[in-house]
Amino acid sequence: DAGITQSPRHKVTETGTPVTLRCHQTENHRYMYWYRQDPGHGLRLIHYSYGVKDTDKGEVSDGYSVSRSKTEDFLLTLESATSSQTSVYFCAISAITGNYGYTFGSGTRLTVV
Amino acid sequence: EDKVVQSPLSLVVHEGDTVTLNCSYEVTNFRSLLWYKQEKKAPTFLFMLTSSGIEKKSGRLSSILDKKELSSILNITATQTGDSAIYLCAVGLKEPYNFNKFYFGSGTKLNVKP
Repeated sequence: DAGITQSPRHKVTETGTPVTLRCHQTENHRYMYWYRQDPGHGLRLIHYSYGVKDTDKGEVSDGYSVSRSKTEDFLLTLESATSSQTSVYFCAISAITGNYGYTFGSGTRLTVV
Repeated sequence: EDKVVQSPLSLVVHEGDTVTLNCSYEVTNFRSLLWYKQEKKAPTFLFMLTSSGIEKKSGRLSSILDKKELSSILNITATQTGDSAIYLCAVGLKEPYNFNKFYFGSGTKLNVKP
């Protein structure tokens, strides 16, 4: 979707290194989310943001941190990557009212070796 | 603990068949249920359901919510190979302070063979 972009699209990194994934939106939506998708688990919420500098943990937040210094950018950092963090990461945005379902970015495929 | 369960996990059909995908949920303070289609990349929005008994339709796809049974079905008639995808169900809780978080099922992988 043109209103939300993720970078990088693919990344291979070594165990123990820090990694930052970026989500950028042009929709001026207040809410932003990071999910990971693994076979058999569907989409699981890592962290979310409800405003600039306002973030909170989701169900699988261990080993991850986030920051949101501007409305349009939401960063996900793996502090010290592990093989269990090999996954596809999706960023999502939503409006507060109206059609408040998520719009997803195209995803980042992260491989930790 | 809030939970969303989809069935079956995977399904193989032939073009022209009709399929029914199921989503059941156990959540407190239900607000809405969403269906998404995921092909190779990002999930794309199909339907949002908030009221029981009202069928949403889009072409060959339709969906209905049963709040009494805490479930929803997604029907696809006259399936085509382009319907091959993972279909995700997600449930949202009432505000305030939920911050519009959705809980996803693990998906149903549909494979439509020519």
